[in-house]
Amino acid sequence: KQEVTQIPAALSVPEGENLVLNCSFTDSAIYNLQWFRQDPGKGLTSLLLIQSSQREQTSGRLNASLDKSSGRSTLYIAASQPGDSATYLCASLRALTFGSGTRLQVQP
Amino acid sequence: KAGVTQTPRYLIKTRGQQVTLSCSPISGHRSVSWYQQTPGQGLQFLFEYFSETQRNKGNFPGRFSGRQFSNSRSEMNVSTLELGDSALYLCASSPGSSGYYNEQFFGPGTRLTVL
Repeated sequence: KQEVTQIPAALSVPEGENLVLNCSFTDSAIYNLQWFRQDPGKGLTSLLLIQSSQREQTSGRLNASLDKSSGRSTLYIAASQPGDSATYLCASLRALTFGSGTRLQVQP
Repeated sequence: KAGVTQTPRYLIKTRGQQVTLSCSPISGHRSVSWYQQTPGQGLQFLFEYFSETQRNKGNFPGRFSGRQFSNSRSEMNVSTLELGDSALYLCASSPGSSGYYNEQFFGPGTRLTVL
């Protein structure tokens, strides 16, 4: 059974910092992995999709990497802004299994 | 292109009642998945439908059921509501023939409160 874990559960940083969110999964046959952000009480917004044949994907200030051999994915956010404050979730699309998320607070 | 829509957005029910939630996927998407999100359990997979057939089901009791129509719209039903069913119910649509591997697009959710 696929399990997805996200560390840390919460993170507070000052504006402008670069930061890394971690996602680990137990089944290396993960196929695709997707990163989302969720604002309080809202649905999930897709950030990046990494297909199993890829090692990373980039969109603006976001970069996500995938290392299937170690069972890890990271989401790198450059030059963080207060508007980045949200909960970030990763998901194994093979099993439609989600991590519990990292709650990010960017202080102005 | 319009995104995933869910109706109603908010719902208040009492224990023992039943409820039906609706989800309209992005045009052209044929897979719809449903999730329950609570503070204690996080986001949990309920079931997935593709071409009117349930392809996969999470670990939820039989009180939770769903269906998909020929136009890909989907409904989920919860019978005999319990206090613990209070949650944000999210649906996601996905293109292509395999919902497992395709990018998921989420709707805004339906907030269900059971009193």
